[in-house]
Amino acid sequence: GEEVAQTPKHLVRGEGQKAKLYCAPIKGHSYVFWYQQVLKNEFKFLISFQNENVFDETGMPKERFSAKCLPNSPCSLEIQATKLEDSAVYFCASSRQGNTIYFGEGSWLTVV
Amino acid sequence: KNEVEQSPQNLTAQEGEFITINCSYSVGISALHWLQQHPGGGIVSLFMLSSGKKKHGRLIATINIQEKHSSLHITASHPRDSAVYICAVQLNSGGSNYKLTFGKGTLLTVNP
Repeated sequence: GEEVAQTPKHLVRGEGQKAKLYCAPIKGHSYVFWYQQVLKNEFKFLISFQNENVFDETGMPKERFSAKCLPNSPCSLEIQATKLEDSAVYFCASSRQGNTIYFGEGSWLTVV
Repeated sequence: KNEVEQSPQNLTAQEGEFITINCSYSVGISALHWLQQHPGGGIVSLFMLSSGKKKHGRLIATINIQEKHSSLHITASHPRDSAVYICAVQLNSGGSNYKLTFGKGTLLTVNP
């Protein structure tokens, strides 16, 4: 497709529950990124993939966060045992090598 | 100190005014992006720059690599330009690491 498709748009989880977010990058884009936006304007890099391989995971809180991009499946970002501080908008983005980056609409996670 | 600093944080203008948003960065970069985030949350890439100047419609973006500074200009501003404008950089970390480091954004409000 010609847009980055993220699901779900909104997700509410009780503290300690699991949350799983999905992202279908634009066809032909080999790079996928996950970013977390908290407090409206603070973006934090989480992880990037080159095709199905993890490229950079320096931003991932590894104890509870995991992500995958498997062939012929949407990419996913999973949070085990969510905490209140995980409440944020999670953006997925994709690009061809080093070119313009395209963002999805974001998934709004609220942990209560 | 943030690696990417934007100014101003907030900007209010009257319709028709010429607008400038500034971005300074303190690290070596391979590219700089200007992004637009509307109140609904979606993020659109406006420009990707590594040198010089780019123009698209009423938007102009410039970058001075030696001074580590970029500007986004909007000519003949319109209320529909109201949004958060975000400067983001790809650090020059070698190889093909295209993850972005974001500024805190500039909230632009254009009044009719």
